[in-house]
Amino acid sequence: KQEVTQIPAALSVPEGENLVLNCSFTDSAIYNLQWFRQDPGKGLTSLLLIQSSQREQTSGRLNASLDKSSGRSTLYIAASQPGDSATYLCAATKGAQKLVFGQGTRLTINP
Amino acid sequence: GAVVSQHPSRVICKSGTSVKIECRSLDFQATTMFWYRQFPKQSLMLMATSNEGSKATYEQGVEKDKFLINHASLTLSTLTVTSAHPEDSSFYICSADRGEANYGYTFGSGTRLTVV
Repeated sequence: KQEVTQIPAALSVPEGENLVLNCSFTDSAIYNLQWFRQDPGKGLTSLLLIQSSQREQTSGRLNASLDKSSGRSTLYIAASQPGDSATYLCAATKGAQKLVFGQGTRLTINP
Repeated sequence: GAVVSQHPSRVICKSGTSVKIECRSLDFQATTMFWYRQFPKQSLMLMATSNEGSKATYEQGVEKDKFLINHASLTLSTLTVTSAHPEDSSFYICSADRGEANYGYTFGSGTRLTVV
């Protein structure tokens, strides 16, 4: 059974800092790994999708990496801004299309 | 592209009544849709997988007679919470799979259900 863990559970940093969010999964036979952002009381916004054959994806200030052999993915946020404050969720997919979510990292960027 | 619309965004209902939540894929066809429940400050819990034209597959512990799912077309799935009770109060989110490996899953904006 796939289990996804995110560390840390919460993170607070000053504006402008670069930061890394971590995601680990127990079953390396994933189909893809997806990072989402969730604002309070809102749905999920997809940030980046990494297919199992890829090692990283980039979108603007965001870069996500995938290392299947070690069961890890990281989300790198460059030059953080207060608007980046949200909960970040990673989710792994295998076979039957089901997403398995981590518990999320609650990120606060302080002006 | 890949927009999923979920309606209503908020609903308050009395105990014992039923509430229907709609999830629509606006610009693509979704053979599979998923329904999640989220408790405060927790992650998403998959409730069921909805396939167009067939019965939904429920996760263990989810009452199928309580949470009725209908996927009548390739763009619409509905979740009906029947005989709602206060413990059903939660945030419900749907997602849709457009069936393309490089696209991932698209989520609706969620429905906040409060049963009083």
